[in-house]
Amino acid sequence: SQQGEEDPQALSIQEGENATMNCSYKTSINNLQWYRQNSGRGLVHLILIRSNEREKHSGRLRVTLDTSKKSSSLLITASRAADTASYFCATEWGNQGGKLIFGQGTELSVKP
Amino acid sequence: NAGVMQNPRHLVRRRGQEARLRCSPMKGHSHVYWYRQLPEEGLKFMVYLQKENIIDESGMPKERFSAEFPKEGPSILRIQQVVRGDSAAYFCASSPRGGTYEQYFGPGTRLTVT
Repeated sequence: SQQGEEDPQALSIQEGENATMNCSYKTSINNLQWYRQNSGRGLVHLILIRSNEREKHSGRLRVTLDTSKKSSSLLITASRAADTASYFCATEWGNQGGKLIFGQGTELSVKP
Repeated sequence: NAGVMQNPRHLVRRRGQEARLRCSPMKGHSHVYWYRQLPEEGLKFMVYLQKENIIDESGMPKERFSAEFPKEGPSILRIQQVVRGDSAAYFCASSPRGGTYEQYFGPGTRLTVT
């Protein structure tokens, strides 16, 4: 299966700490995307990193991609209680494009 | 610019009935994707459509499920003769083009089969 696997499944930290989530996948990809989902809501796109990129930043978010290890990490710095959510990585691959394969997600809890 | 709209937000059906889920993509988006999320799980791809065309339906169950995206109007995901195992959240996403673009997700339709 191409599906990504995320680690850890759940993460609990204090406000102000950094949170790191990892994602591994199995075959070559076109790009990898990270999404956030608040409980009972739709997904919000965070960052897209292409297969020829190694690192991307967006505000307090930093994403790395290591295609040799088929893995990616999402770092949230100076976390806030509002960052509490589930975070999913999704890979897009193949010729037709568009189809995203999601991991199982990491449930992040940031305690005030 | 309104986001991706899905309706209804909640749908309750008895076993054997039909469920119709609607998705209106963002303005200017002609690519629509449907995903299903079971409780405590990630999203599973179902189908990818462009206007009047099915591009990839590799995630669709072979029976009872169908999807369309007509020239005019919303995309429709149709589930015939629903069973309890169809209970899930169904999310629609859209993008302006296929390929390497972020997808914008709707709020989802939560289907409960009783």
